[in-house]
Amino acid sequence: DQQVKQNSPSLSVQEGRISILNCDYTNSMFDYFLWYKKYPAEGPTFLISISSIKDKNEDGRFTVFLNKSAKHLSLHIVPSQPGDSAVYFCAAPTNTGNQFYFGTGTSLTVIP
Amino acid sequence: DAGVTQSPTHLIKTRGQQVTLRCSPKSGHDTVSWYQQALGQGPQFIFQYYEEEERQRGNFPDRFSGHQFPNYSSELNVNALLLGDSALYLCASSPGEGRTDTQYFGPGTRLTVL
Repeated sequence: DQQVKQNSPSLSVQEGRISILNCDYTNSMFDYFLWYKKYPAEGPTFLISISSIKDKNEDGRFTVFLNKSAKHLSLHIVPSQPGDSAVYFCAAPTNTGNQFYFGTGTSLTVIP
Repeated sequence: DAGVTQSPTHLIKTRGQQVTLRCSPKSGHDTVSWYQQALGQGPQFIFQYYEEEERQRGNFPDRFSGHQFPNYSSELNVNALLLGDSALYLCASSPGEGRTDTQYFGPGTRLTVL
């Protein structure tokens, strides 16, 4: 039961351009969402989050948008840099916060 | 301030064997969660430990068991290993009581079952 889905396994973007990573969810009870970034041989690291009471959260080059009616969120990276090349996971915790559901990830390659 | 640490880094076992993986949480964190990440997949929740008790469990068989020690470190045990247990096992820690919205991950243990 895949409650969080990332339908694009990979994405390539030129350096300096915008990267847009997408995520869909099925559980309408989710009220908080996170993006994690993962480099090879490392664990996922927290990148940015958004509460369902907002539709946008911005942190430097990273912005997450949430469309609750569509059960869709997206991560925008502007401008993209080669160091952004990694696998990005979308995640959502249960309402107790004890269990996180992760998407399958999108591998981003930023081409210099 | 040490982050989440896991040992060993890599492990090779054969089918039917048993394995124990270890995790030390980030300083100040008392809750430990374990995830399995198969190749090409996202992390799948195995279980979470808080105050030395299993607080929540995902959809994994009883072959997967765990333990949390008084110093908050944790072990994941897998019995009767199957080929399908080959994966990256991730440990995540968070500050404990009540809801937490961010988990901090260790680098993982790569388990290969032959």
